[in-house]
Amino acid sequence: SQTIHQWPATLVQPVGSPLSLECTVEGTSNPNLYWYRQAAGRGLQLLFYSVGIGQISSEVPQNLSASRPQDRQFILSSKKLLLSDSGFYLCAWSTLGVGHSTDTQYFGPGTRLTVL
Amino acid sequence: AQKVTQAQTEISVVEKEDVTLDCVYETRDTTYYLFWYKQPPSGELVFLIRRNSFDEQNEISGRYSWNFQKSTSSFNFTITASQVVDSAVYFCALSEEGGGSEKLVFGKGTKLTVNP
Repeated sequence: SQTIHQWPATLVQPVGSPLSLECTVEGTSNPNLYWYRQAAGRGLQLLFYSVGIGQISSEVPQNLSASRPQDRQFILSSKKLLLSDSGFYLCAWSTLGVGHSTDTQYFGPGTRLTVL
Repeated sequence: AQKVTQAQTEISVVEKEDVTLDCVYETRDTTYYLFWYKQPPSGELVFLIRRNSFDEQNEISGRYSWNFQKSTSSFNFTITASQVVDSAVYFCALSEEGGGSEKLVFGKGTKLTVNP
């Protein structure tokens, strides 16, 4: 079965510091991968998605970047964190099933980031 | 543009009551997909159901049931005989047929509290 891991689970970082959040998926090949952010009391916002190694699409221009160095690894980064980067970051994966024209996204446990 | 509206921000019920969570969507596509996710206090989004736009059959899974009505662009979720473990934030989401990496548009969620 497929599993998705995210780490760290929680992170407290000062403003201006760098960021690296990691997401890995097991049990599937060539998944689509996604990064979402959920700010306090708000809905989920898609930040990036990737359909393959090195292929990144950005949904919202911002202080963050994403990379996909391996098939099942997705990394969210920032060179200098802002207060507004605080939130709950969720990674998700999906794969196009046989007979389906769209896929279902499955989410990881999330990383709670606090920028002080 | 796609849009998902969950008008109920918070609902509070007593255990064993039935509760319905509303979801209204907007899309220009004739083929689209609707989802419900549950976010317990731990934060991870748990996939509950996916429904294709061409399948208007209602679905029941244990105490959960979903009522999809294209005429009113609604995809409501009912929990029968609610339990304390049902306490969570519930998200409705929409994606359009794209044959690849799908972008989910989420509603802002409904926080359900089931009191003993």
